[in-house]
Amino acid sequence: DAGVTQSPTHLIKTRGQQVTLRCSPKSGHDTVSWYQQALGQGPQFIFQYYEEEERQRGNFPDRFSGHQFPNYSSELNVNALWLGDSALYLCASSLTVRNQPQHFGDGTRLSIL
Amino acid sequence: AQSVAQPEDQVNVAEGNPLTVKCTYSVSGNPYLFWYVQYPNRGLQFLLKYITGDNLVKGSYGFEAEFNKSQTSFHLKKPSALVSDSALYFCAVRDYRRDDKIIFGKGTRLHILP
Repeated sequence: DAGVTQSPTHLIKTRGQQVTLRCSPKSGHDTVSWYQQALGQGPQFIFQYYEEEERQRGNFPDRFSGHQFPNYSSELNVNALWLGDSALYLCASSLTVRNQPQHFGDGTRLSIL
Repeated sequence: AQSVAQPEDQVNVAEGNPLTVKCTYSVSGNPYLFWYVQYPNRGLQFLLKYITGDNLVKGSYGFEAEFNKSQTSFHLKKPSALVSDSALYFCAVRDYRRDDKIIFGKGTRLHILP
């Protein structure tokens, strides 16, 4: 049973470009959350998707957007990249039941030059 | 606003000794509390959770955590540390009565010395 898978594993972009990151949740999970983890920091919540809609959002600008597909997979899009967007982007999936833990992928390392 | 504090950036423990990684939280209601571990170049792995009930929670790899409501703490413990326990540990809180977001602490790096 595959866990959470993310692609690509590494990505290098330049300032001003746009990027799309992808996530496939653990089998049976219906909720996907995205986090940004800067170097030496804990994960910061970006947003959460359930039933193809954004259910919760953290303190991130509109440059960060997402999508969830009918098969529960998800994409994170970031526009107008700047140096501060360099980070590890983590996807986590879970059941919508609130007391269940999230299962994390290994992340996409995004570097902005 | 809800928050999580991990007061120690790094904890050093000799192999075989007991270890404690501290976590305190601030929420308006009753929290769900979690501990995760992160190894280099990997995502976070779930260790244990407190939802309700017994204040001592047992989790993966011999770890346990003690919920203390009066001190708003949820410290991670292990009776006998292994070198393989060396990693980055994150405490997280979910205030389901408020906005249901999950907030992570900044992490504590655990070094187990052989």
